Amino acid sequence: QKEVEQNSGPLSVPEGAIASLNCTYSDRGSQSFFWYRQYSGKSPELIMFIYSNGDKEDGRFTAQLNKASQYVSLLIRDSQPSDSATYLCAVNGEGFKTIFGAGTRLFVKA
Amino acid sequence: EPEVTQTPSHQVTQMGQEVILRCVPISNHLYFYWYRQILGQKVEFLVSFYNNEISEKSEIFDDQFSVERPDGSNFTLKIRSTKLEDSAMYFCASNQGQVGYTFGSGTRLTVV
Repeated sequence: QKEVEQNSGPLSVPEGAIASLNCTYSDRGSQSFFWYRQYSGKSPELIMFIYSNGDKEDGRFTAQLNKASQYVSLLIRDSQPSDSATYLCAVNGEGFKTIFGAGTRLFVKA
Repeated sequence: EPEVTQTPSHQVTQMGQEVILRCVPISNHLYFYWYRQILGQKVEFLVSFYNNEISEKSEIFDDQFSVERPDGSNFTLKIRSTKLEDSAMYFCASNQGQVGYTFGSGTRLTVV
């Protein structure tokens, strides 16, 4: 059974701090890695995707991938109260199915 | 910005009844999906659809479920005989390939 594991949180950070969210996956054949943000009662919204080892930056967000360790992370710089949400790590293999983690709840304190 | 549109936003149905959930994917997307999320749980894959046929389905997607693209724009999920455990948020999604999804706003299905 292919799994994506995340710490459920909540992760609480003060406004302006860096939030660090982590994810591990079980399938070594995974090829595409995604971070989604989900506000309560809403649908997931794509924030970042990464395919290659290393870092990928987009504005305040940085995704990091280490395939050898089967580890994906998301850094949010200058965290804002509006970043408070559940962050879903998602992993795609060769097929069409994307497997989601259970999500980490982030709370940014003003 | 293009959207995936889902209707209805909330559907209440009696156990054993059939329901059809509707979706209009983004027009130039080629791949269509249904996911569900039971309250407080993970987003779970149900089925993917490409080139007018199912490309992959999960164990959840049993004979009670079916999908259809009846015309060039709509993509539907039918549950033939609903059970209490089918109560969930159902999300339609679409994309152009091995990239992230655009999700619709979801249909909350309540089976009573």
